[in-house]
Amino acid sequence: DGGITQSPKYLFRKEGQNVTLSCEQNLNHDAMYWYRQDPGQGLRLIYYSQIVNDFQKGDIAEGYSVSREKKESFPLTVTSAQKNPTAFYLCASSIDITGGGDEQFFGPGTRLTVL
Amino acid sequence: QKEVEQNSGPLSVPEGAIASLNCTYSDRGSQSFFWYRQYSGKSPELIMSIYSNGDKEDGRFTAQLNKASQYVSLLIRDSQPSDSATYLCAVPRDRGSTLGRLYFGRGTQLTVWP
Repeated sequence: DGGITQSPKYLFRKEGQNVTLSCEQNLNHDAMYWYRQDPGQGLRLIYYSQIVNDFQKGDIAEGYSVSREKKESFPLTVTSAQKNPTAFYLCASSIDITGGGDEQFFGPGTRLTVL
Repeated sequence: QKEVEQNSGPLSVPEGAIASLNCTYSDRGSQSFFWYRQYSGKSPELIMSIYSNGDKEDGRFTAQLNKASQYVSLLIRDSQPSDSATYLCAVPRDRGSTLGRLYFGRGTQLTVWP
């Protein structure tokens, strides 16, 4: 059963801690993305990756870091430098982008709360 | 002007009615357009893609694209309470490149009351 998984579903962080959100896909998609969604707001792009071992900053990359060591995996670390990390984090992927595959498919999301 | 704008809503329609959701975009060269549905507390789900002028129908959903006027709409016929959700419009950011990023609108919240 193909899809995108994110874990954990809920995450609580104390101030000053780094936390890592997991995103795995078995769709054989080349590109992966991380978004942040705040209540009443649209989706804001944090980081994206077109291929393994390469990634680019999105619109709000400060305080976040990513890695893309495997095609299937694109973990996001929320560092202590991110001042307002409480949000709903969404991972997405899209098929071979060189073929014009713009449709993105989303995982179930991780809700991060800072205590 | 924002790249993608949606009527902010909320939109409320009775069960069985037609719900009309609208989206305008700024890049005249945009070639593909997407509608996502997001239930409260859940992630967005792709429900419609449209690439050509005119209508595209899928069950009770019809996407309408007018490139000359730079708008895309989503019609939901015979609306059901289960259609109550926020609908997001999206267009590609990177026309002519391979980056594959999307601009998302803020969404229109739809409520279908029985």
